[in-house]
Formats: sequence, C-alpha cells, structure tokens
Amino acid sequence: DTEVTQTPKHLVMGMTNKKSLKCEQHMGHRAMYWYKQKAKKPPELMFVYSYEKLSINESVPSRFSPECPNSSLLNLHLHALQPEDSALYLCASSHAGQDNEQFFGPGTRLTVL
Amino acid sequence: QKEVEQNSGPLSVPEGAIASLNCTYSDRGSQSFFWYRQYSGKSPELIMSIYSNGDKEDGRFTAQLNKASQYVSLLIRDSQPSDSATYLCAVNQAGGTSYGKLTFGQGTILTVHP
Repeated sequence: DTEVTQTPKHLVMGMTNKKSLKCEQHMGHRAMYWYKQKAKKPPELMFVYSYEKLSINESVPSRFSPECPNSSLLNLHLHALQPEDSALYLCASSHAGQDNEQFFGPGTRLTVL
Repeated sequence: QKEVEQNSGPLSVPEGAIASLNCTYSDRGSQSFFWYRQYSGKSPELIMSIYSNGDKEDGRFTAQLNKASQYVSLLIRDSQPSDSATYLCAVNQAGGTSYGKLTFGQGTILTVHP
C-alpha cells in the first residue's frame, strides 16, 4: 500500500462550525505533514509530526489544531475558521529522516462560508 | 529565509519536443531535491528525487543537479499533452532532523500542444 488517504474530499463549513480532517497512511512512515495550498500557489507547511510528536508548528492560528493519535493517523481539527482559510488541505508522509521523499494525499478542498 | 526559484512560465512546447524546467535554491546545505507534478485541482505527485550531482533518468524524465551552482533541472523528453501540468521544484532544508522541511518554488505551468 503506497497511498496516503484523506477524508473528506470536500468540506463546506460555517465560521461557527467544528469539523475535522483525517489523513491515513500504511507505509510505515513516521513523519507526517499538514500543508495548506491556495490557488496558483505552492503548498505551505503548517505542521510536522515526527514519531507522533509535534515537531513543527509554522505559526498556525489556534483555530487549527493537529492531532496524531498513532503512527498511521493524522487529524486536523478546525474551529471558528475564517473565509480566508478556504483552501486545499494536503497531508503528506515520509520515512523518518531529513531527506526522504514526501508523498501527498489527494487533499481536502475546504470552503468556509 | 531559504528560497527556491523556478523559471518563470508559462512554458509552452509542441508535442514530441523536450521541455526544460529550471530551479535555483539558496540553502547551500540542502542535500535532497524533488520535482512534483500537479494537475489542476489535484494534489502534488512526486515524479523525481535527486540527491547527487549529475543526471538521474527515469523514463522520459531526467533530473539534473549541480550543487556548486545550486541548480536543479527537469527535462521531459518526447513531451505529451498529458504532461501539461504545474511542475513544482522542492528542496529539503538542511538541519539534521528526523523529518523533512520542503521549500517549494512557485511552480512552472507547462502546456504541451498537439
């Protein structure tokens, strides 16, 4: 299994809603990443988990809350988002180590009304 | 601030031609370099990784790395309309960590016309 899966594919939420994005991989990767991508821009790193511990938080607002329940799963909890948070949210994973390849999931297209 | 710059696009080539995509980076300590292809509305797909100076070939794709010049390129031979996409150059920041930290270029839009 060489896939990173993400659910849901699409999500529409209001500014007062609470929702979660889910990411799963079964490649034995011990580093997992959340990226945000706006239209016509490259992906921007949000969070990095290494061995299930949060290693990087790129100054992301607290309305985004990551969670790594185990080595295969990564969640992103969303609360009180703003319309400007509408974007494609990408999960990626890699083997532990600095120079390993990162593989992206299909992404969740988020629209905040 | 680590930077990655890609040649400005968009790039348009005829079917069957060679498409040449270029990328320069600022972090001299970087050791790993990647090319991703992203179709409109889809996620980035890894197509090439390169770690050593020189060329690396995979099918119609050739990645070239010159660490002294801080330059990475991707050649696509016999370009096909299905190669039309945005190509993202990504460079791993040096740091001795247990995870990667990619810096992406802005991307080059490639169009292959029949």
